[in-house]
Amino acid sequence: KAGVTQTPRYLIKTRGQQVTLSCSPISGHRSVSWYQQTPGQGLQFLFEYFSETQRNKGNFPGRFSGRQFSNSRSEMNVSTLELGDSALYLCASSYRQGMNTEAFFGQGTRLTVV
Amino acid sequence: DQQVKQNSPSLSVQEGRISILNCDYTNSMFDYFLWYKKYPAEGPTFLISISSIKDKNEDGRFTVFLNKSAKHLSLHIVPSQPGDSAVYFCAASGRSGGSYIPTFGRGTSLIVHP
Repeated sequence: KAGVTQTPRYLIKTRGQQVTLSCSPISGHRSVSWYQQTPGQGLQFLFEYFSETQRNKGNFPGRFSGRQFSNSRSEMNVSTLELGDSALYLCASSYRQGMNTEAFFGQGTRLTVV
Repeated sequence: DQQVKQNSPSLSVQEGRISILNCDYTNSMFDYFLWYKKYPAEGPTFLISISSIKDKNEDGRFTVFLNKSAKHLSLHIVPSQPGDSAVYFCAASGRSGGSYIPTFGRGTSLIVHP
């Protein structure tokens, strides 16, 4: 079956702009989590959505937000971009909610803020 | 403050030998642990997991050991193969303020020489 699809793969934005990233989970998976990966901080959890509701949230400012649609597709939005937001953003889907389950990751969206 | 630490950024092993990747954690609330493998230009893929009620879990060539008193877990790969060359992430999850927050280590790059 098709894996987790993230679009776009690469993105360049200017400071102060906003950006929306998209994630299509594996068919049948209802949980979508988002992560930020940077060389300095490693992989950091942003938030998790399950059945269109945010269930868990990491320690990121309110500029980072997300939503999930009825078909389980999810979008992540970052407003007022800062240089430090440059990172690989990974989305992971799983059948059940929570970390106690195998998650399948997409290839990520590489965001560069200039 | 890193709650999950992988103190060895890299590890080099000969094909056929054992690879041992280590991970230490500080948060006693963590109760589920996972290992992910990541190849370049791909998202992480789930490898193996262990619940805090166990001290060992085995899946083919991969075995994870958990020492709760030492807050330490390790991943053993026997025998190591060149295709195992990748970055390995240790992850832990547990309740934090009502939410289930997954925390990742910064990864260990394993190179298996033919």
